[in-house]
Amino acid sequence: DQQVKQNSPSLSVQEGRISILNCDYTNSMFDYFLWYKKYPAEGPTFLISISSIKDKNEDGRFTVFLNKSAKHLSLHIVPSQPGDSAVYFCAVTGTYKYIFGTGTRLKVLA
Amino acid sequence: KAGVTQTPRYLIKTRGQQVTLSCSPISGHRSVSWYQQTPGQGLQFLFEYFSETQRNKGNFPGRFSGRQFSNSRSEMNVSTLELGDSALYLCASSPGVSAGAETQYFGPGTRLLVL
Repeated sequence: DQQVKQNSPSLSVQEGRISILNCDYTNSMFDYFLWYKKYPAEGPTFLISISSIKDKNEDGRFTVFLNKSAKHLSLHIVPSQPGDSAVYFCAVTGTYKYIFGTGTRLKVLA
Repeated sequence: KAGVTQTPRYLIKTRGQQVTLSCSPISGHRSVSWYQQTPGQGLQFLFEYFSETQRNKGNFPGRFSGRQFSNSRSEMNVSTLELGDSALYLCASSPGVSAGAETQYFGPGTRLLVL
């Protein structure tokens, strides 16, 4: 039973445009939501997070949106850069156990 | 602050053997979690240790075990290796004191290949 779903395995975007990555979860008890970026042969790197009491959090080019009623999380990257090409994982937690999605491979085309 | 370190980075074993992987968390972090990453499966949670005790466990067979030492360093052991155990094993650390409000930081992983 997949509690966290990233339904798009891959996404291609032109450099300079917006990248939107989506994540859906099933359990309304989750309190904290995170996005990680992963390059090949490296561990995931923390990008940005949001707590359940907020609906938006920004950090430079990265913005995370949380829609609790829809149990939906999204990451916006504006403008997208070739260096953003990586696999992006969303993660959710309500305790000390983190549940990750299967990832979306983003390719930013120059 | 030094990041999370994992050793070894690469490992080749044969079926039936056992393997031990090591993880040193960020200084001051007391929670260490282990994950298995295989293609198409995302990061599958194995277990989490805090203050030398297993606090959370995923849905893996008993061949997968772990432990944590008093300095918060952790080891993961896989016994009777199977071909399907070939994966990237990731370790992550966090302070471990604010449930549902902490960020985990990952090490570079250990790539295990079982032949």
